[in-house]
Amino acid sequence: KAGVTQTPRYLIKTRGQQVTLSCSPISGHRSVSWYQQTPGQGLQFLFEYFSETQRNKGNFPGRFSGRQFSNSRSEMNVSTLELGDSALYLCATKPTSSWGEQYFGPGTRLTVT
Amino acid sequence: QKEVEQNSGPLSVPEGAIASLNCTYSDRGSQSFFWYRQYSGKSPELIMFIYSNGDKEDGRFTAQLNKASQYVSLLIRDSQPSDSATYLCAVNGEVTGFQKLVFGTGTRLLVSP
Repeated sequence: KAGVTQTPRYLIKTRGQQVTLSCSPISGHRSVSWYQQTPGQGLQFLFEYFSETQRNKGNFPGRFSGRQFSNSRSEMNVSTLELGDSALYLCATKPTSSWGEQYFGPGTRLTVT
Repeated sequence: QKEVEQNSGPLSVPEGAIASLNCTYSDRGSQSFFWYRQYSGKSPELIMFIYSNGDKEDGRFTAQLNKASQYVSLLIRDSQPSDSATYLCAVNGEVTGFQKLVFGTGTRLLVSP
């Protein structure tokens, strides 16, 4: 099975711009979660989608949003970028029948200048 | 008190030794526990998960769970230089939400030849 794919892998944006990141889950995985990883805060949960519905959301401002499509692919959007949004954004997918284990994609490295 | 705590390390062990990585968690409702390995510049890779008290072995890796003490550990036998990485402990459960993993900040392991 192909793994989780994320595009783009690297992105450089300017403060105030917006960005959209994409994630394609492992075939058959319907749950998609997004995490932000920074050296200072570690891995932090952004949100999780299942069957096009957001089921859980982390403590991030409303500038961070996401959605999921009927084929389980997911996108996350960050508007009005700030320098502090520079991070590795990771997508993780979970099998429907599981104990909660999640499988991560390679991530998108976002740099905001 | 952080939800998931790990010693940041680095934990240095010689090649062939047993590396012992520890993790404590605060939510007594936590149900599943995960160990991820993350190489520098890469995304987290699931190594093992455990949900019952006791030991679970997979090759050179053993996960140990003690729910009464709110403690989970990972033992790596016959450590190899290729095991040098950051090891992340993660949990999920009722309070945090089963769709969400809460991560510790990770323990950096260095295995010297």
